[in-house]
Amino acid sequence: AQSVTQLDSHVSVSEGTPVLLRCNYSSSYSPSLFWYVQHPNKGLQLLLKYTSAATLVKGINGFEAEFKKSETSFHLTKPSAHMSDAAEYFCVVSRDSGTYKYIFGTGTRLKVLA
Amino acid sequence: ETGVTQTPRHLVMGMTNKKSLKCEQHLGHNAMYWYKQSAKKPLELMFVYSLEERVENNSVPSRFSPECPNSSHLFLHLHTLQPEDSALYLCASSQKHSRGETYEQYFGPGTRLTVT
Repeated sequence: AQSVTQLDSHVSVSEGTPVLLRCNYSSSYSPSLFWYVQHPNKGLQLLLKYTSAATLVKGINGFEAEFKKSETSFHLTKPSAHMSDAAEYFCVVSRDSGTYKYIFGTGTRLKVLA
Repeated sequence: ETGVTQTPRHLVMGMTNKKSLKCEQHLGHNAMYWYKQSAKKPLELMFVYSLEERVENNSVPSRFSPECPNSSHLFLHLHTLQPEDSALYLCASSQKHSRGETYEQYFGPGTRLTVT
């Protein structure tokens, strides 16, 4: 069975400093992994996805994530936080065999301090 | 309109009312989803339609009734809801999945539902 754990429910960083949002997954199959962002009163927006190609995935707005199979991790990073990055971030895993089931993490709320 | 739209954006209903949520996607996708987002809980998949056929139904109470008349439209019919059904209901769409391929989802802004 698939599962995903976001290790921090809240993360605070200062503007201009690096961002690290942690995600660990469990999957019996070769997984597809996604990161989404949700700003207040908005739907979820795709940041990036991993589907068994390059292990370092670049996404929108300067975010990237690295798939590490040995550590079963897919952490999201950004070199320099911007005030507009303040939002909730969701790590998602889906079994890579045509299933429509996406397993969502509980979310990490990112706060960016001026 | 572009992307995935949902109406209404906010809905307040009594427990004896009947209402419907509407979702429309303008992306040419052929799979559509309903999710429930409650505070402090992971997103819960409710229903999935692929090519207008329901392919997933996650033990959702019968007071929620989905309808997918075509690949661009998805409805969620609501009746005799409970206060614990108050949540943000999100619609999403994606390409139809094929073996070995999983596609990203595109989400609408959601309908904030309050049951009184």
